[in-house]
Amino acid sequence: DQQVKQNSPSLSVQEGRISILNCDYTNSMFDYFLWYKKYPAEGPTFLISISSIKDKNEDGRFTVFLNKSAKHLSLHIVPSQPGDSAVYFCAALPLYGNKLVFGAGTILRVKS
Amino acid sequence: NAGVTQTPKFRVLKTGQSMTLLCAQDMNHEYMYWYRQDPGMGLRLIHYSVGEGTTAKGEVPDGYNVSRLKKQNFLLGLESAAPSQTSVYFCASSRQGVNYNSPLHFGNGTRLTVT
Repeated sequence: DQQVKQNSPSLSVQEGRISILNCDYTNSMFDYFLWYKKYPAEGPTFLISISSIKDKNEDGRFTVFLNKSAKHLSLHIVPSQPGDSAVYFCAALPLYGNKLVFGAGTILRVKS
Repeated sequence: NAGVTQTPKFRVLKTGQSMTLLCAQDMNHEYMYWYRQDPGMGLRLIHYSVGEGTTAKGEVPDGYNVSRLKKQNFLLGLESAAPSQTSVYFCASSRQGVNYNSPLHFGNGTRLTVT
């Protein structure tokens, strides 16, 4: 059973609009959450993270929101750019753990 | 600065053959990891190492072995390849365990096909 779920396999957004990628988790012991971005034929690269003591973390066009009571986090990209087209993985780390648990990924396509 | 380098980039094996995937990092990181990526499954941890000479099992270790004889290298071995091991394999490293100051750095992957 997947502990980290990204229920939308793909998302298509117009350039300049907001992209919202969602992630749900089941393990209440997860303490730290990350988003990775992956281009074809490349490895994932770290994008942004959030600790469970926060509900929002912002870095330029990227903002991650965490709703602990709903066990839900989301990544907002504003404004979306064609270069943002990639696979986005949500990942979670348990308290006192050192092994990330990844979601299945969401393919984002930003149309120009 | 090369970061994390994986060799080979592509490989086709026949069932029962063996091979070794090599991962090298030049960042002096303590932790190294092997993941496999399959459609609809995300990245799953195969084995990891918390330092030179150490290895530990991850989520899906069966059919794989690893070695970390040198700090900068982490080898993943398949002794008798099976079609279920067809996947894209990613190596990653981190300065210490994953946290705010120590994100994972990934290589570009090895695409393995077992026929």
